[in-house]
Amino acid sequence: EAEVAQSPRYKITEKSQAVAFWCDPISGHATLYWYRQILGQGPELLVQFQDESVVDDSQLPKDRFSAERLKGVDSTLKIQPAELGDSAMYLCASSHRKENTEAFFGQGTRLTVV
Amino acid sequence: GESVGLHLPTLSVQEGDNSIINCAYSNSASDYFIWYKQESGKGPQFIIDIRSNMDKRQGQRVTVLLNKTVKHLSLQIAATQPGDSAVYFCAENRGTGGFKTIFGAGTRLFVKA
Repeated sequence: EAEVAQSPRYKITEKSQAVAFWCDPISGHATLYWYRQILGQGPELLVQFQDESVVDDSQLPKDRFSAERLKGVDSTLKIQPAELGDSAMYLCASSHRKENTEAFFGQGTRLTVV
Repeated sequence: GESVGLHLPTLSVQEGDNSIINCAYSNSASDYFIWYKQESGKGPQFIIDIRSNMDKRQGQRVTVLLNKTVKHLSLQIAATQPGDSAVYFCAENRGTGGFKTIFGAGTRLFVKA
């Protein structure tokens, strides 16, 4: 069964350092999402791509976060510099089309900033 | 601001009983409402959705009810099993722009054997 792949699974970084997460969506899925999930809360949408274009990044802290999906396939989310408050689970999800309500999530990257 | 929220943070049920998880929403413009299940250490998994012009939809062992008058959504799980233990999120999918999915805070379901 096709899955959304994310790496790394866990990341510990010091504050003020740069960190990057990678996501490979299910083949053929045009829509890709990055969510941040703080412990005990629901996922919060950071950025949504349709192919290689950003559809929604209204909740992305653009002073320190960046996301790209250059060829419309895999994607990278970067934080520079990391802050203590960035500690969270970063989830990637994909769907066949933006109109689809069913998104398939990866297992996430657990980030701890120390 | 607009939000999707849940009535109870935890729910404990006996194995074999039916479970009902409730959710309140505030945005009447949502096109779809969705339920996701998240097991420990995993990403959320889609369970079922319901379009805003419907009031009931059934899946395998699950039923979602939508009451637009009081802006309330519920997920009913029949014959709850230990494997149903997880956090359940209701979410709304807004069709403007990129069909953004907004998640609520979640309800943790414990199934007692």
